[in-house]
Amino acid sequence: GEDVEQSLFLSVREGDSSVINCTYTDSSSTYLYWYKQEPGAGLQLLTYIFSNMDMKQDQRLTVLLNKKDKHLSLRIADTQTGDSAIYFCAETPNTGKLIFGQGTTLQVKP
Amino acid sequence: DTEVTQTPKHLVMGMTNKKSLKCEQHMGHRAMYWYKQKAKKPPELMFVYSYEKLSINESVPSRFSPECPNSSLLNLHLHALQPEDSALYLCASSQEGVYEQYFGPGTRLTVT
Repeated sequence: GEDVEQSLFLSVREGDSSVINCTYTDSSSTYLYWYKQEPGAGLQLLTYIFSNMDMKQDQRLTVLLNKKDKHLSLRIADTQTGDSAIYFCAETPNTGKLIFGQGTTLQVKP
Repeated sequence: DTEVTQTPKHLVMGMTNKKSLKCEQHMGHRAMYWYKQKAKKPPELMFVYSYEKLSINESVPSRFSPECPNSSLLNLHLHALQPEDSALYLCASSQEGVYEQYFGPGTRLTVT
């Protein structure tokens, strides 16, 4: 079946690293995505990883994929107050649809 | 340019009104999507258009009627909505067969 799970809330101090975790169920997913949604806004595609990769780094963002455990994580280095948002991970099983997790609210304290 | 635009930003309508939401993209994408999102929840897929033809309808009530006039435009016609239809309506687009979807800012709909 298709199911994506995330923890609902994470609080960090400004300057610390944030790690947001996600587990998915469909091993046929070719790409896995991280989207960011700020209050009152649409979803912004942050980064994605192809299923045959273990890691992808893009400036302050590092995505780790453990395909055996179907576990995806997003690490944000030097977290800033502007990173406060809801982060959704999403998988793409062979259905032509994005399957989203419930979203993790990241709170960054000054 | 990775921009998807949506109009209007906000819409308040009564249950007997007819209104339309509009979405536009100029990225040459051939797949376009409508999603509904309630507060603090993930987006829920409503419709998918592929090459201007409706390819997925997620059992959406007929009071929502999508239309794709051309490859750059997507409309959502609304009629006789219910208060529980109040939500953020998001449009997205992607290359066909590739699932990297780009989202617009959404239309905040309130049904009174």
